[in-house]
Amino acid sequence: AQSVTQLGSHVSVSEGALVLLRCNYSSSVPPYLFWYVQYPNQGLQLLLKYTTGATLVKGINGFEAEFKKSETSFHLTKPSAHMSDAAEYFCAVSDYTGANSKLTFGKGITLSVRP
Amino acid sequence: DAGITQSPRHKVTETGTPVTLRCHQTENHRYMYWYRQDPGHGLRLIHYSYGVKDTDKGEVSDGYSVSRSKTEDFLLTLESATSSQTSVYFCAIRTPQAVEAFFGQGTRLTVV
Repeated sequence: AQSVTQLGSHVSVSEGALVLLRCNYSSSVPPYLFWYVQYPNQGLQLLLKYTTGATLVKGINGFEAEFKKSETSFHLTKPSAHMSDAAEYFCAVSDYTGANSKLTFGKGITLSVRP
Repeated sequence: DAGITQSPRHKVTETGTPVTLRCHQTENHRYMYWYRQDPGHGLRLIHYSYGVKDTDKGEVSDGYSVSRSKTEDFLLTLESATSSQTSVYFCAIRTPQAVEAFFGQGTRLTVV
C-alpha cells in the first residue's frame, strides 16, 4: 500500500522568503511522485512530477522538488514566495501506470504569503 | 482544464434523495476517476474506470456507484444521499501512457 504524509496543515511565509513544503511517502515499489496546487474554488493543477532519472525536478511557477529515496521524501521548494503562490498544495504518489494505478494524496498544506 | 467538464458545479439536496454527478471529457482518455475532497483528508478515491463498462472501487466507495457507458462520460451516483456525503467531488482523467492525472473543476455537493 502507498501513502503520503504532509506534516502540518498550514505554512505562512513572507513575500520573498523561501517556501518549503514537506512530503514523505511510503511505497512498496519505486514511486511516481507529484505535487499539485489548488487555488480557491478551482480544480487541481499539476505543478511537477518525478518519474525516473534526475532527482531534482522543476515545475511551473518557479517551484522545484527533490526526490530523496533514502529519506522517502519529495519536498517542494521555491526560492522566493510571491503573493500569487497562496494556495493549497497536495503531494501525491502512484505506484505504476497500469489499469489499476491510482493517485494517493496527502492531506494538503495551505500556504499563506504575507506582504 | 484538459477538456473535463463536471456538472452540476453546485448542488444542494436533501437527505435520502438520489444524486448523480456527471464527468464529461473531450480528450478520449481511457482512465477516469472520482475523488472527494474534505478538510483534513485531502483527496480520497471513490471509484475509478479503466474503460467503458470497466469500473472498480476506491478507498471510500460505500454509498456510491458509478457507470461508464461511453468513453467520454463517467457518472457518480449517490443512491440515497447522507450528510456525510457533503463534500467537493472531483473527476480526473489519465491516459495509459501518462503517470499524472488531470482534474476537473469540481462539484460542491451539500446534503441537508
